[in-house]
Amino acid sequence: AQSVTQLDSQVPVFEEAPVELRCNYSSSVSVYLFWYVQYPNQGLQLLLKYLSGSTLVKGINGFEAEFNKSQTSFHLRKPSVHISDTAEYFCAVIPGDSSYKLIFGSGTRLLVRP
Amino acid sequence: DAGVIQSPRHEVTEMGQEVTLRCKPISGHDYLFWYRQTMMRGLELLIYFNNNVPIDDSGMPEDRFSAKMPNASFSTLKIQPSEPRDSAVYFCASRSSGSHYNEQFFGPGTRLTVL
Repeated sequence: AQSVTQLDSQVPVFEEAPVELRCNYSSSVSVYLFWYVQYPNQGLQLLLKYLSGSTLVKGINGFEAEFNKSQTSFHLRKPSVHISDTAEYFCAVIPGDSSYKLIFGSGTRLLVRP
Repeated sequence: DAGVIQSPRHEVTEMGQEVTLRCKPISGHDYLFWYRQTMMRGLELLIYFNNNVPIDDSGMPEDRFSAKMPNASFSTLKIQPSEPRDSAVYFCASRSSGSHYNEQFFGPGTRLTVL
């Protein structure tokens, strides 16, 4: 069964520093990959998604992610974070077998300090 | 559009009581999903509907949980009787038809506390 691993439960970083949130998925013939953000007391909001084509995907709020098929990874990056980026970030996958299920990772809490 | 609407936002109840969570999907969306979020298990899909018909309820934890979608603009998730271990945040999400990787739009969630 498809699974998603986010090894870092929390990532503390200073404001204006770069950040990378790691995501690995179990191998499959094809997958569709997503990053969602959850601000405190809110629902999830789509940051970006990879369906096909260019392996570098740009999303909202200056975030980007790179799909690496050989390493089965989809890490999220931002060159300079803001206090307002403090939130929970979820990596998710839809297997390419026409399943409608979004399978989520356990989440990474990004804590941006001044 | 107001987005996905969930009510109530917070619910506190006592063990054994019936709890009903409500969701209004985005107009025109024909897929509706119910998720549960806990610290221990993360985000879990409970059930999803397509055109008001339940398609996959394999994530529903047990018979105490039931979900309905009587029309395209309303769905309920009911827990009867409720137990303390049901305490969680319950999210409703909707999406339009077409490609199955279309974005799911999430509601703000209902925080349920069962005492």
